[in-house]
Amino acid sequence: SQQGEEDPQALSIQEGENATMNCSYKTSINNLQWYRQNSGRGLVHLILIRSNEREKHSGRLRVTLDTSKKSSSLLITASRAADTASYFCATGDVVTGTASKLTFGTGTRLQVTL
Amino acid sequence: DGGITQSPKYLFRKEGQNVTLSCEQNLNHDAMYWYRQDPGQGLRLIYYSQIVNDFQKGDIAEGYSVSREKKESFPLTVTSAQKNPTAFYLCASSIVRGTYNEQFFGPGTRLTVL
Repeated sequence: SQQGEEDPQALSIQEGENATMNCSYKTSINNLQWYRQNSGRGLVHLILIRSNEREKHSGRLRVTLDTSKKSSSLLITASRAADTASYFCATGDVVTGTASKLTFGTGTRLQVTL
Repeated sequence: DGGITQSPKYLFRKEGQNVTLSCEQNLNHDAMYWYRQDPGQGLRLIYYSQIVNDFQKGDIAEGYSVSREKKESFPLTVTSAQKNPTAFYLCASSIVRGTYNEQFFGPGTRLTVL
């Protein structure tokens, strides 16, 4: 079943603007991850936030997690045309020493124009 | 270079035929996964394996089969029992040490049933 739902489904911004994507999920989680997918390609891991963390940064990326609202947001600052891609959140309920079974959301398609 | 390879990139199948998608990794990861992605959708888990000679069904295993005879390889067979096999198939791998594990993805195989 699809655990995560991303909002908006599609987002179009100009280069230099910030892009914010939201993810909501339904059950308790151990961690939440964000992935990026260029058209027709595999996914690339961007950032992981643990359930006991509230905010995390990586370069131009900022992720927040609100477990009380079962939601997360991904902020991309100073966007570039190369950021054009689909972005997916994935929730994990991992037990130590087992495979990291993830449930993916439906994704946000980001278009950054010059 | 370390990574995950999938072959072929494009695959065409006639109705009633079984086809096998290849996935190989040289990352020394114990866990491997198969996902299906339909247009404009997120990823759905088909099968995953935590160790050689062991695998578990994911959310949509019906009509698919896998094997894990070697650590590096996790082939997926799409059988004639799969009613709607046209989709983009993604293979991934991860470590199983620790609690928070990101997944590494291959470039995908696009399967079309004629």
